[in-house]
Amino acid sequence: GQNIDQPTEMTATEGAIVQINCTYQTSGFNGLFWYQQHAGEAPTFLSYNVLDGLEEKGRFSSFLSRSKGYSYLLLKELQMKDSASYLCAVRDPDYKLSFGAGTTVTVRA
Amino acid sequence: SAVISQKPSRDICQRGTSLTIQCQVDSQVTMMFWYRQQPGQSLTLIATANQGSEATYESGFVIDKFPISRPNLTFSTLTVSNMSPEDSSIYLCSALTGVNTEAFFGQGTRLTVV
Repeated sequence: GQNIDQPTEMTATEGAIVQINCTYQTSGFNGLFWYQQHAGEAPTFLSYNVLDGLEEKGRFSSFLSRSKGYSYLLLKELQMKDSASYLCAVRDPDYKLSFGAGTTVTVRA
Repeated sequence: SAVISQKPSRDICQRGTSLTIQCQVDSQVTMMFWYRQQPGQSLTLIATANQGSEATYESGFVIDKFPISRPNLTFSTLTVSNMSPEDSSIYLCSALTGVNTEAFFGQGTRLTVV
């Protein structure tokens, strides 16, 4: 099975940087994904790591350490529209996703 | 990428009845999945929808309660049978276009059982 932990809530100021940590313990690993979900909407893909290291996509970056079972999502230059839930998900060798409980990020002016 | 359409987007149903949710993808996909998201919680995988054969269910989910069909590479249905208020949730369809790509999600079906 999969055990995925991430903080419940984070608050940051517009223009700042926020780092959302995710730790996992899995019976099989085939990639780690980060999704953004606004209230009442479907999750949308942000980033994907399968090898160790940092993946950068504009204002969003994600890091993975497989040996430590650890990932983080870095959100830079925060905007009000970044207020959302951020979901860490681990994919198993059968391509099934297991999700963490999600981190609600609130961006304040 | 893939665009996933789900119908209905929301419904209010009487307990004891069944509801079938449809999921249509705009391109052929390798794998399709059904997830449930209960109020205030994250997504839980219900099953993998297999084309032309029985779906593969996760622990805690059974075929009699959640029958799934996948007649071709772009379409799947999930039925929530003999509903109770505990089935009130958002049901999401997901698809993979390739083995090293991200999963795409439909907009979800918000089900309320009264």
